[in-house]
Order: sequence, then C-alpha cells, then structure tokens
Amino acid sequence: NAGVTQTPKFQVLKTGQSMTLQCAQDMNHEYMSWYRQDPGMGLRLIHYSVGAGITDQGEVPNGYNVSRSTTEDFPLRLLSAAPSQTSVYFCATNPAGATTTDTQYFGPGTRLTVL
Amino acid sequence: LAKTTQPISMDSYEGQEVNITCSHNNIATNDYITWYQQFPSQGPRFIIQGYKTKVTNEVASLFIPADRKSSTLSLPRVSLSDTAVYYCLVGDSLHNDYKLSFGAGTTVTVRA
Repeated sequence: NAGVTQTPKFQVLKTGQSMTLQCAQDMNHEYMSWYRQDPGMGLRLIHYSVGAGITDQGEVPNGYNVSRSTTEDFPLRLLSAAPSQTSVYFCATNPAGATTTDTQYFGPGTRLTVL
Repeated sequence: LAKTTQPISMDSYEGQEVNITCSHNNIATNDYITWYQQFPSQGPRFIIQGYKTKVTNEVASLFIPADRKSSTLSLPRVSLSDTAVYYCLVGDSLHNDYKLSFGAGTTVTVRA
C-alpha cells in the first residue's frame, strides 16, 4: 500500500514549457486535491476533485489544468510555465468529501523551479 | 476563503509545553478543526481533530472554547523531533463557497 505518490520529485522548466505533475493513490479515496506551498503563504488549494469526471477550482487555479479520468490518478498540468509557478506542489486525498471531518493524506511533494 | 490566523513562529526548549493558538472567526457550524504537522521536504500529516471542548491523543491536546472562534494545539514536553511547521485547517462558510484552505502555519523550533 503506497498511499499517495507523486512524480517527479524535482523538476526544472524554462518559461513557456509545459509539463504534467503526476499524482496517484491506492486508497480508493474519492476526493483528491492539489496544493502549492510557497514561503510564508502556507498551503493554497489549486484544484480539487470529488470523484472521477468531476473537478473544480480552488483558491489559485490560474495557469493550471486538471482532469480526473480514474479514481486513482489526478494529474496537474502546467500549459505554459511561468516563474511565478516556482513552488512545491502537494497532492492530497480524503476518504470521502471535502470537509475537514475527513483526514487528508498528503504525497511527498514535487519541487518545481521555472527559470 | 478560509481565514485563519496563527503566530508565524515559536521557540521552545526540550521538555517544555508548547501552545499554538489559531483564530478562525468564520468557522462553519458543522466544521471540525484539524491540525497538521509538516517536517522539511515532507507533506503535512494529521495530528489531531476536534469539534468543541478538549480532545487528547498520544501526540497532542486540542482545546476549543465554546464560541469555537479559536483553537489551541498543545504539545506536551516537546523534544527536538517536534521541530516542524504546524497548520490549523478549517472550512470557510463566509461566502457559501466551501473550500479547504490552510493557514500560513506556525514554525516551532525546539532547542536543546
């Protein structure tokens, strides 16, 4: 049981490049989400999904796309990377919904640098 | 969006008790308050959760007053390994737009 996995662990991009951050979970959780973490800003919600085929925007969605074709996977796409997207990205899952009554399980993170 | 306020940092020494207070004036009626711990280069992990009064587990205690507009995480007899960032998490019902958002976190540094 791997829990929540994220790939890659580190990535360096040039401005304008595109890439996909992968997130996979083997806990059969319906709710998945992406956060970015910047110094002094805490964790800010980018996008989330309450189940396969359903996604919605979080606090800072601009510049990011997501899709949820299966319960297990929730990739985050940067279509045209910008230096402002330099951050650490975390994927998280909840057993059911998007409430704080459910414990979130976080992946190890992806550290992204955009030059 | 959720509005939580925590101290930016706190320093302590081994064996002392550390108390971190989080303010959340717009907490939803049915919301629980959850605290997470994050070590460098790792994702946050769940510590404790409560709705009202007091909750205690093997790691920490959580104190919540009757109005629920704040909560205090208490770490008893801290050790060097408790050095981490601590986040409180509540929902946001202010704009009828329910989204989970973490506070900025409190960096706790424990010294020998």
